Amino acid sequence: QQQVKQSPQSLIVQKGGISIINCAYENTAFDYFPWYQQFPGKGPALLIAIRPDVSEKKEGRFTISFNKSAKQFSLHIMDSQPGDSATYFCAADKTQKLVFGQGTRLTINP
Amino acid sequence: DTAVSQTPKYLVTQMGNDKSIKCEQNLGHDTMYWYKQDSKKFLKIMFSYNNKELIINETVPNRFSPKSPDKAHLNLHINSLELGDSAVYFCASSLLPGEQYFGPGTRLTVT
Repeated sequence: QQQVKQSPQSLIVQKGGISIINCAYENTAFDYFPWYQQFPGKGPALLIAIRPDVSEKKEGRFTISFNKSAKQFSLHIMDSQPGDSATYFCAADKTQKLVFGQGTRLTINP
Repeated sequence: DTAVSQTPKYLVTQMGNDKSIKCEQNLGHDTMYWYKQDSKKFLKIMFSYNNKELIINETVPNRFSPKSPDKAHLNLHINSLELGDSAVYFCASSLLPGEQYFGPGTRLTVT
């Protein structure tokens, strides 16, 4: 039972382009939606997060768009840089229990 | 001054052995977790402790036993290791829901 579905599995973007990763969830009880970034050999690190009463949140080059009625949310990385190359996970939280998407391996070509 | 630390970083062992992974956090967080990341990078929660009390226990074989001696430490003991236990195990801690801080991981290889 996959409660959070993430796509695409992998993504290649040119330097300076926009990277977009999408997630969909099923359980309307989820009340917090974070994105995590993981570099090879490291643990996931919290990147940005949103609550369902907000439709968009922006932090620097990273933006979350949230569509509560469609039960979907996405991460946009503007002006993508080679240093952004990593695996990105969306997640949904309910009472301190995080459910993760399958992850997206993002590669930014120089 | 590492926030969440785990030892060891790598663990190679044979089937049937018993092993432990240790985790410590110096963030003052009340809640700690164990996650398993499989070869396809899928992250799944195994256990969660809040102030030394078990609050989440996912469908995990009872060969896995977490122990929290105090709220800064959460150890994971695994009995009778199997090939399918090979994975990266992450410890994490949090103060606020959804905002978890992960350790560097322990890569367990069972041969």
